[in-house]
Amino acid sequence: QKEVEQNSGPLSVPEGAIASLNCTYSDRGSQSFFWYRQYSGKSPELIMFIYSNGDKEDGRFTAQLNKASQYVSLLIRDSQPSDSATYLCAVRATGNQFYFGTGTSLTVIP
Amino acid sequence: DGGITQSPKYLFRKEGQNVTLSCEQNLNHDAMYWYRQDPGQGLRLIYYSQIVNDFQKGDIAEGYSVSREKKESFPLTVTSAQKNPTAFYLCASTGWNQPQHFGDGTRLSIL
Repeated sequence: QKEVEQNSGPLSVPEGAIASLNCTYSDRGSQSFFWYRQYSGKSPELIMFIYSNGDKEDGRFTAQLNKASQYVSLLIRDSQPSDSATYLCAVRATGNQFYFGTGTSLTVIP
Repeated sequence: DGGITQSPKYLFRKEGQNVTLSCEQNLNHDAMYWYRQDPGQGLRLIYYSQIVNDFQKGDIAEGYSVSREKKESFPLTVTSAQKNPTAFYLCASTGWNQPQHFGDGTRLSIL
């Protein structure tokens, strides 16, 4: 069983729409959850992190965490073509190891 | 400016050769990590180190070696035993209860 699973996509949304990215994890002891954006040929860039149940907003990005359901999501409002990238979900597990999903490819269509 | 520096950006390996990828950080982070990423794939953990002079194998350590003699440095050697080394290699670090941050990566190819 994979530690972190993401819907691989690809996901396409029109410019200005809301993009919704989802992630589930298997380790109930996980405490910290992260979303990274990775452009083609580049390294991952941290865009959001969340530690507590509920929502966390930062500009156009909202991370949602539901520990009971072991579910993390990322919403991107007013999607822009520059948001087109692969989004990686990551979980910090016990022992300070990080587990990454395989990523969801997002394309925002102008 | 604090950050993680990986070098070189591109590296070519000849048959039977060992090559070393450099990773240096000035973020005063205790933990450092090496990942491998193949095209269209997620990140796979090669080795990680929580403190100086200590490191643990990740999921795909075979054919790789590391050292952690200084807090700032965590070099990765890709040995000749690694038969399929072509990939994008990423170094990361983290402090206590902090997110993981990445260097710009090294792209390794076989000549």
